[in-house]
Amino acid sequence: QKEVEQNSGPLSVPEGAIASLNCTYSDRVSQSFFWYRQYSGKSPELIMSIYSNGDKEDGRFTAQLNKASQYVSLLIRDSQPSDSATYLCAVNVPGRGSTLGRLYFGRGTQLTVWP
Amino acid sequence: KAGVTQTPRYLIKTRGQQVTLSCSPISGHRSVSWYQQTPGQGLQFLFEYFSETQRNKGNFPGRFSGRQFSNSRSEMNVSTLELGDSALYLCASSLGHGGSYEQYFGPGTRLTVT
Repeated sequence: QKEVEQNSGPLSVPEGAIASLNCTYSDRVSQSFFWYRQYSGKSPELIMSIYSNGDKEDGRFTAQLNKASQYVSLLIRDSQPSDSATYLCAVNVPGRGSTLGRLYFGRGTQLTVWP
Repeated sequence: KAGVTQTPRYLIKTRGQQVTLSCSPISGHRSVSWYQQTPGQGLQFLFEYFSETQRNKGNFPGRFSGRQFSNSRSEMNVSTLELGDSALYLCASSLGHGGSYEQYFGPGTRLTVT
């Protein structure tokens, strides 16, 4: 059973603060890692992908990956009320006989950014 | 480039009926994955199709089936609907090859079984 665990929410931060979202995964062969944002009543939206150890920055978002610790995180700098959503961590695990597998999702962390 | 489209957006069915949901992936994407999302279970993988072949399958009963056409459009079917099948059904498309595993979701089909 592939497990993807996210820090339990809800997480509440003031506008302008840094929001830190964490995710751990159980399968060491996992190759690719993703963060999705899901607004209430909407479908998940891909916001970050990371494949190598280290940091990857995209605007106000920074994804961090540590494969040795089986840990991936998402930092949101200068948080805005529009960032209020559920953030889903997803992990790709290669399938049998193929490097392309399926995504396993965490249960999500609900973030609220208050003005 | 147009995104992933799903039809219909909303459905109300009664127990025992069957339903077919449709998904059109992003142009050029050959992989289509289906997920079920419920408040209790979160996002659960149903199956993935690539080049008209089912490449991966999740732990759902045989009542859930799918297929993919030569133009990469995909359909999923649920037969003998149960109350517990009420959920948001999401389709996601990706290139499916070349090392790109990024999946892009459609708006979903909200299925209510009464």
